Amino acid sequence: GAGVSQSPRYKVAKRGQDVALRCDPISGHVSLFWYQQALGQGPEFLTYFQNEAQLDKSGLPSDRFFAERPEGSVSTLKIQRTQQEDSAVYLCASSLDGPLREQFFGPGTRLTVL
Amino acid sequence: GQQVMQIPQYQHVQEGEDFTTYCNSSTTLSNIQWYKQRPGGHPVFLIQLVKSGEVKKQKRLTFQFGEAKKNSSLHITATQTTDVGTYFCAGPDYTDKLIFGTGTRLQVFP
Repeated sequence: GAGVSQSPRYKVAKRGQDVALRCDPISGHVSLFWYQQALGQGPEFLTYFQNEAQLDKSGLPSDRFFAERPEGSVSTLKIQRTQQEDSAVYLCASSLDGPLREQFFGPGTRLTVL
Repeated sequence: GQQVMQIPQYQHVQEGEDFTTYCNSSTTLSNIQWYKQRPGGHPVFLIQLVKSGEVKKQKRLTFQFGEAKKNSSLHITATQTTDVGTYFCAGPDYTDKLIFGTGTRLQVFP
């Protein structure tokens, strides 16, 4: 079926605005991951879900970042009171079962905070 | 925390030349994954290595996992313009979350 999809693909926010980024994983994939990728760098782990349970959120930069996956499928990454340093590409990935399996990445959401 | 470094940072080659990127972890890894990211694209899984000293081949690509499971390499024979992109290695930390390397950006001139 279809791969991982993310929306929106591009988001421009004024500093202080809240944003919500959506991820639709591959159907049947138990695990879902969020990464932040700055220009010219590798993806950096933000958080990980196994079904609806958020098993690891150690990578979230601050309490302004919040992620949820209430029904174990679609996930939303919310950033409150955005700041310029939040500008990056936010990548979502899913895997069949667990973080040690092959991860399938979505196209990402490029967030620019002005 | 765990660090995963790659060298070189950039590599420019003429089409047909070989290319190698090296990946070094500060800690022993249970496994290592390699991903390719085309310019403007997203990471795409290439392969996973698990065993010490393991070597795997995919057409012109050869992947190796070091004996001590702290380093890995990717070698491309006779590069093509379709090989352009950034190659990342990634290994799990003690909590199993993937730590990506710094990446090697490959440019191939026709």
